[in-house]
Amino acid sequence: GAVVSQHPSWVICKSGTSVKIECRSLDFQATTMFWYRQFPKQSLMLMATSNEGSKATYEQGVEKDKFLINHASLTLSTLTVTSAHPEDSSFYICSAQISGYLTHEQYFGPGTRLTVT
Amino acid sequence: GENVEQHPSTLSVQEGDSAVIKCTYSDSASNYFPWYKQELGKRPQLIIDIRSNVGEKKDQRIAVTLNKTAKHFSLHITETQPEDSAVYFCAASMNSNYQLIWGAGTKLIIKP
Repeated sequence: GAVVSQHPSWVICKSGTSVKIECRSLDFQATTMFWYRQFPKQSLMLMATSNEGSKATYEQGVEKDKFLINHASLTLSTLTVTSAHPEDSSFYICSAQISGYLTHEQYFGPGTRLTVT
Repeated sequence: GENVEQHPSTLSVQEGDSAVIKCTYSDSASNYFPWYKQELGKRPQLIIDIRSNVGEKKDQRIAVTLNKTAKHFSLHITETQPEDSAVYFCAASMNSNYQLIWGAGTKLIIKP
């Protein structure tokens, strides 16, 4: 149980275009989802906390107008990278927490490799 | 805010030997400490976790110890095998927001 999927698994886009990444909890409801970015040989960096039905909370230094997060249902959160540039190329990973449990456990998606040319 | 430091950044051990990775945290309010294993290009996988009301936890070849007074916790892997080669991350979390604060990671290399 507690499976999280991400789509697409990898994407190549041209500079200036936008890319949408989906994060789905397949067998549970997730009030809270997290979006991370991971550069090669580095740790996961929390970008934002996404709460169903409300605005996402962005970490310091993360541009909310560039990284649009929508958490419209208890099983789906989306991250849209707007006007992507080569420096946005990274591995984007989402995680989800099971609704109704005051728990620390996060279940991770398989990640999306974004390459901006 | 919370800060998690992890050492060493790279650890090379002979197959069959033990490996120890250490982390320290700064905020005494942190009460949940997971360890993740990440293989190249894949998602982090939770391998073991410990809560602040416990000093040690073991799962087969893997164990975690926690010293709340000193604010540090360690991952111990015994009888290492080639498939243990990966990057390991420690993290800390607290009840106020359940966010994970990550260590920088340790690349574990198991030499045959």
